[in-house]
This record gives sequence, C-alpha cells and structure tokens, in this order.
Amino acid sequence: EVQLVQSGAEVKKPGESLKISCKGSGYSFTSYWIGWVRQMPGKGLEWMGIIYPGDSDTRYSPSFQGQVTISADKSISTAYLQWSSLKASDTAMYYCARLRMSSGYYFDYWGQGTLVTVSS
Amino acid sequence: QSALTQPASVSGSPGQSITISCTGTSSDVGGYNYVSWYQQHPGKAPKLMIYEVSNRPSGVSNRFSGSKSGNTASLTISGLQAEDEADYYCSSYTSSSLVFGGGTKLTVL
Repeated sequence: EVQLVQSGAEVKKPGESLKISCKGSGYSFTSYWIGWVRQMPGKGLEWMGIIYPGDSDTRYSPSFQGQVTISADKSISTAYLQWSSLKASDTAMYYCARLRMSSGYYFDYWGQGTLVTVSS
Repeated sequence: QSALTQPASVSGSPGQSITISCTGTSSDVGGYNYVSWYQQHPGKAPKLMIYEVSNRPSGVSNRFSGSKSGNTASLTISGLQAEDEADYYCSSYTSSSLVFGGGTKLTVL
C-alpha cells in the first residue's frame, strides 16, 4: 500500500527556520516525483514545487522559488520542505503528494498534511 | 501562472447531476489532456477523482466523470449523494509545472 506520512504540526515564531518531512512507503521512492502543495487557511491549493528523489532534480513554482527549499534523502525515502526564515504568511497546511508525471501530471497519493503556524 | 477559474459554489439535490467547470487558457487546459480533479472533505487531504481529463482511478465511483472542450474542463457528478458534499479542485499541466483552480464548494441540499 502506497503511503506518504508527514511530520507533525509545528508552531514557530517569525524569523525561525523549519524543515518538515514526508516519508514514502509501499512503492519505489526513487522512481516517482514528490510534490509539495500549500493550502492557506480557508483557501485553495497551490503547487509549490517537485523533486525527483532518484537524482534530486527539483523544480519550483515561480511563486515559491527562493522562498522555500525542497530536498530529499533517498536512503530513508523522505522528502523535505524547509524555510530559513518563516513569516506569518507561511501559516498554512502543507501537503506532500506523489506526482504521476509520465502519464498525465497528476497527484495520485497524498500525505495527511502538516499544519504550520507562524505567530509571535 | 494564474489559477484556473472555477465557480465558487454549486449545489444540487440528492439524485441529481451537477457539473463543475474549470476554465483556463490554451497554455494549460486547452493545450494538454492533462487535467485532473481532486475532492477534499473538510479537514482531510485531497483525493484524486479524475486524471487525464476523463480517467477514473481504481476505486472512484463511476458517478464521477470528466470532459474537456477547448479551454474549459468539466467534472460531472451524477446521482448526487450526501457524501459528495466537499470542495473540488481542478488542476492542469502547464509549461513544466502545475496550476490549480480556485476550488468549488459542492453543497448537497
């Protein structure tokens, strides 16, 4: 069974750094792209970027380029999303999802989400 | 890239059919058969309902169907059930990236 399990909720202060994780299981982690999707409170889904764990090829949405860093450690089947200096506007739910790129560019499995709250 | 355009809300009675539209441009929806649809219940992660315009993943009810004409894709839900009440998002491939629609809240009356 394909599963993506994300790290738990975080409460941080503005200016702090943060790295959240997404661990894949039940499939070949290095053979599929993993994407990150933001959902701000009461708002819609926003594509942030994707990474191919096999070679760490990474692509960012122009809206998030330079704002976050996506990485992966294939040895432990885990992808990461990190911030070096959080802002209050980073408060959101963040989902990781497996991307089917070769056949239609869609997310077929999703993590449960990680809620990030940034508040002073 | 700009978000795809969806109606903010649609509603229907149990047993009826509803259609949710998703309008983009020739650079996204109109340019590729790579439109997907996701269902999201409150407090839950999104769930894939349709991919490649009209394909249903295993386990998704055949009451859900997708289509596309020009720059507009559509999701149709037939035989509405109470459990279909959720937010629905379309998504399309565009220039090595993805763009989502703003989401549509479906209310089952």
